[in-house]
Amino acid sequence: GEDVEQSLFLSVREGDSSVINCTYTDSSSTYLYWYKQEPGAGLQLLTYIFSNMDMKQDQRLTVLLNKKDKHLSLRIADTQTGDSAIYFCAVSSGGYQKVTFGIGTKLQVIP
Amino acid sequence: GAVVSQHPSRVICKSGTSVKIECRSLDFQATTMFWYRQFPKQSLMLMATSNEGSKATYEQGVEKDKFLINHASLTLSTLTVTSAHPEDSSFYICSAKTGADSFNEQFFGPGTRLTVL
Repeated sequence: GEDVEQSLFLSVREGDSSVINCTYTDSSSTYLYWYKQEPGAGLQLLTYIFSNMDMKQDQRLTVLLNKKDKHLSLRIADTQTGDSAIYFCAVSSGGYQKVTFGIGTKLQVIP
Repeated sequence: GAVVSQHPSRVICKSGTSVKIECRSLDFQATTMFWYRQFPKQSLMLMATSNEGSKATYEQGVEKDKFLINHASLTLSTLTVTSAHPEDSSFYICSAKTGADSFNEQFFGPGTRLTVL
C-alpha cells in the first residue's frame, strides 16, 4: 500500500521560511494534501495539489511537487508563532476514497 | 468551510463498558464519513469508511464487532466502542466528504479523546 514519510520535527525562528518535506511511494497518487493540526484539535486542510501540477502558491504557502522523486514540500513564508502546529502530508489515489497520512511534522516557531 | 462536529470531546469510561461517539456534518450532507484513530505522536490510521444507508467498510486489522459504525443519515455517523479496554484509549477523529466529485476533500471533526480506565 501507500507509504508516506515525513520528518518528525522542525524548528524555525519567527519571520524565517519553513520548509516541510514529504515523500510518498505510490506513483499513481492523484491528490496530495497538507493538513494542519493544532493541539487537541482535528485536522484543517491547508492546501492541496493535483498530481499534474508542479507548484501551487496560496498566500504564504507554496507547495512543490516532484513527481519523479515522489517528493512533496510545503513552504511557509514569514513563519509566525501561530503557525506552530503539526503538519500532515497526505495522498490519495485510485478510487479517491482513501487518504493516507504521514506521521506529521511538528513545527516549532521560536519568537 | 463545511463544519463537522463530534460529541463528546472527551470521555472517560470503565473497562468493559461501551462508548458511543457521534459525528455530525452541520451544514452539508455527507455521503461518506470516515473514522480515524490517532495514537500519541503518530499519524491518523483509517479505521473504516461509512456510506449513508450501507454497511461500513473496515480497514484490515480493525475489528468490526468491536468498533460498530452506524451511518443512519446524511448528517450523522456514530462509532461505538464496545467492551472498551485500556488499549482502546486513543484520539478518535471523524471526517466527512461532500458530494460525489473526484476531489477528495474531507472535513475533519475536532476529535474525541477516549480514556478507558
